[in-house]
Amino acid sequence: QKEVEQNSGPLSVPEGAIASLNCTYSDRVSQSFFWYRQYSGKSPELIMSIYSNGDKEDGRFTAQLNKASQYVSLLIRDSQPSDSATYLCAVMSAGGTSYGKLTFGQGTILTVHP
Amino acid sequence: NAGVMQNPRHLVRRRGQEARLRCSPVKGHSHVYWYRQLPEEGLKFMVYLQKENIIDESGMPKERFSAEFPKEGPSILRIQQVVRGDSAAYFCASSPPSGREVYTQYFGPGTRLTVL
Repeated sequence: QKEVEQNSGPLSVPEGAIASLNCTYSDRVSQSFFWYRQYSGKSPELIMSIYSNGDKEDGRFTAQLNKASQYVSLLIRDSQPSDSATYLCAVMSAGGTSYGKLTFGQGTILTVHP
Repeated sequence: NAGVMQNPRHLVRRRGQEARLRCSPVKGHSHVYWYRQLPEEGLKFMVYLQKENIIDESGMPKERFSAEFPKEGPSILRIQQVVRGDSAAYFCASSPPSGREVYTQYFGPGTRLTVL
């Protein structure tokens, strides 16, 4: 089982729709969760961080965390063509030598078509 | 505020040569991380450093790879005797020394290493 798994893509949505990206993780002691966006040939860009169960909203983005289900998601409202990118879910474990180490999912490619 | 800086942005080496990749963290950040992204693969953790200390090198290949973050100057990822399989994008990230965002990592533009 992969440590961090994202829903298989690619995901294609029409402009203005809601894009839903999902991620599950295997390490129960994980405490910190991040969503990054990566355009082709570029570096990862931080979108959201979330640490507590529930929802966290920032503009058109909402991150949701459910530690009991070991599940984290990202919703993008009013999707724009400029949102077309690979979205990476990253998880940080709580302790030991894993502190600080981010484990990434394989990424979900999102395409927003006009 | 300048973000994470990496140089060179592109590096070409022949098999057997050495590659040195440099990373200057965000001003005020004291934690540095290196990740590697192989073609068509995900980002993989390599090493986590603080000034003059290696905190976690569990992702570093056992041979040919080393990293340092000296008291003065940038962090260096060094690859000796490069092989074609080392061709990848190498990203550096940094995070603040304390506070709630201490583990929020900001990535640099990366160094694309090509081994001929």
